[in-house]
Amino acid sequence: DIVMTQSPLSLPVTPGEPASISCRSSQSLLYSNGYTYLDWYLLKPGQSPQLLISLTSHRASGVPDRFSGSGSGTDFTLRISRVEAEDVGIYYCMQALQIPWTFGQGTKVEI
Amino acid sequence: QVQLVQSGGGVVPPGKSLRLSCSASGFTFSAYDLHWVRWAPGKGLEWVALDSFEASVKYYADSVKGRFTISRDNSQNRLALQMDSLRPEDTAFYYCARKDRRYNGYDYWGQGTLVTVSS
Repeated sequence: DIVMTQSPLSLPVTPGEPASISCRSSQSLLYSNGYTYLDWYLLKPGQSPQLLISLTSHRASGVPDRFSGSGSGTDFTLRISRVEAEDVGIYYCMQALQIPWTFGQGTKVEI
Repeated sequence: QVQLVQSGGGVVPPGKSLRLSCSASGFTFSAYDLHWVRWAPGKGLEWVALDSFEASVKYYADSVKGRFTISRDNSQNRLALQMDSLRPEDTAFYYCARKDRRYNGYDYWGQGTLVTVSS
């Protein structure tokens, strides 16, 4: 199975300041079609997970443009350009290249 | 609009069974891969099972293989997860989720249902 490793696991943030989360996979997530199968999700308290980014850098519909994803191969980053209070929750990266799909441990973002 | 509405869940003793259901609307149900994902506080998100619309292929996480069965009824727009031989470590919130066909992420999720396995 592909192992996903996130850092940090806890991230105190300040509203208005930038923040970033790293995710590393145990093998390349690049597929032969040229796409890299890495997603980012946010789990807010009392809510279902929501998709932020898919295919490494594609922002999902309705996601604010302060969220961006980047990376290649085995190293990926989620960036928030200016944190807002509503961004608190647990952020997960997930590889969708190979069954079983696997998630990182999660990064808890708190104000 | 796209909606996934879950039902089922609850408290069951170890070794017993439970069935979760996910009713879909607002999209062509038969044309999408559908998944179950679970979240246990302190343990994180875990992919559980996939029902692929192509060739009716099903896949399972090793942790549930042989105990859980995913199924769909395209005539009723309904996804199900039959969970047998439940264990305390299966305690979690369970979500059904749709895989976006173009950009590949889980773009829509059910509201989640709590399954507690305890004597």
